[in-house]
Amino acid sequence: AQRVTQPEKLLSVFKGAPVELKCNYSYSGSPELFWYVQYSRQRLQLLLRHISRESIKGFTADLNKGETSFHLKKPFAQEEDSAMYYCALSGDSGGSNYKLTFGKGTLLTVNP
Amino acid sequence: EAGVTQSPTHLIKTRGQQATLRCSPISGHTSVYWYQQALGLGLQFLLWYDEGEERNRGNFPPRFSGRQFPNYSSELNVNALELEDSALYLCASSGRRRSNQPQHFGDGTRLSIL
Repeated sequence: AQRVTQPEKLLSVFKGAPVELKCNYSYSGSPELFWYVQYSRQRLQLLLRHISRESIKGFTADLNKGETSFHLKKPFAQEEDSAMYYCALSGDSGGSNYKLTFGKGTLLTVNP
Repeated sequence: EAGVTQSPTHLIKTRGQQATLRCSPISGHTSVYWYQQALGLGLQFLLWYDEGEERNRGNFPPRFSGRQFPNYSSELNVNALELEDSALYLCASSGRRRSNQPQHFGDGTRLSIL
């Protein structure tokens, strides 16, 4: 079974402070991990995926297979980063397991 | 490029009725996924269609069904509606099945059961 855990429902930081949104997963094969973000009154959108290994809007996330984690980080938070963040997992390629399993989400608030 | 479109935006039904939700994927995408976002339960996978066939199904009763048309648009049908079916239903689309493409989401259909 695949499972994604986001331990923090709410996270509040001040502008300019570092931010880390935690994500842990459980999956027996080789998963693909994603971070999705939902800004107020907007649709859910892809922020980044682990295989891309790129930084989007200053956010990065590294897949740690030993700790089964995929934490999202940004060194200096901005007010426009305030949003709901979802960590998601997809199964191995080549099979019928491309469905996404989502965590419950973390609501990030960046205070001025 | 137009994104994933879903209709209707909001649907109000009573217990026992049937609901039909529609989704048009991004042009060129052949896979359509349906998710349910119920209060307190988070986003849960419902169904996956690709090239007209059901490829995977989540842990939902058979009264949740759907289909994908030749133009890759999709319908989700929910029969014998129950109060707990009240939720936001999200549709997502992605590229061809044999490569694990990122999923792009629509705005959703909010289904309210009275």
